[in-house]
Amino acid sequence: NAGVTQTPKFQVLKTGQSMTLQCAQDMNHNSMYWYRQDPGMGLRLIYYSASEGTTDKGEVPNGYNVSRLNKREFSLRLESAAPSQTSVYFCASSDPGRAAYNEQFFGPGTRLTVL
Amino acid sequence: SQQGEEDPQALSIQEGENATMNCSYKTSINNLQWYRQNSGRGLVHLILIRSNEREKHSGRLRVTLDTSKKSSSLLITASRAADTASYFCATDGNDYKLSFGAGTTVTVRA
Repeated sequence: NAGVTQTPKFQVLKTGQSMTLQCAQDMNHNSMYWYRQDPGMGLRLIYYSASEGTTDKGEVPNGYNVSRLNKREFSLRLESAAPSQTSVYFCASSDPGRAAYNEQFFGPGTRLTVL
Repeated sequence: SQQGEEDPQALSIQEGENATMNCSYKTSINNLQWYRQNSGRGLVHLILIRSNEREKHSGRLRVTLDTSKKSSSLLITASRAADTASYFCATDGNDYKLSFGAGTTVTVRA
């Protein structure tokens, strides 16, 4: 099993450009998450999807949109990138209902730089 | 806002020594988890302690939880170079979300 995969690994954008970060999991998990990690800030939740067909805002949703394409895939879109969105983005998945607690499994991350 | 705050921010120890880091949080929790992040990688789950537990062990890891003080500690015994990483506490309020602290960066010197 690959676990959680993310593409691309690295990306450089110019201000105003758009892009979509892709995430897929092969663990049959119901819940998926997008975080951003900035130096000294830990992880902050951008959006999450508790189950297929639902999405909800997290702590820092402004400037982002998400799509839960199916049970496996959860994408994050930046419509008009800004330098403040320079960060490392992590996707995670979990199955809190089946596991009885919310242990999350993380992808390797996407390093995004917005110039 | 982040629920957990780790202390210290950074820790440097000699191989073989113990490393202790602390986490404080603000609201009631269902459980508290600790994750490790190696440089340039995603987070990996280490250990979970439920709100009705006070101490838990897993190999060289020992976690304590004091819900009256809203704090937890992670002890890594007999540290190794491979323990060099950042460690994060995450609180679970049973609402499908985890709230992560800013992390403690541990460097183990050979």
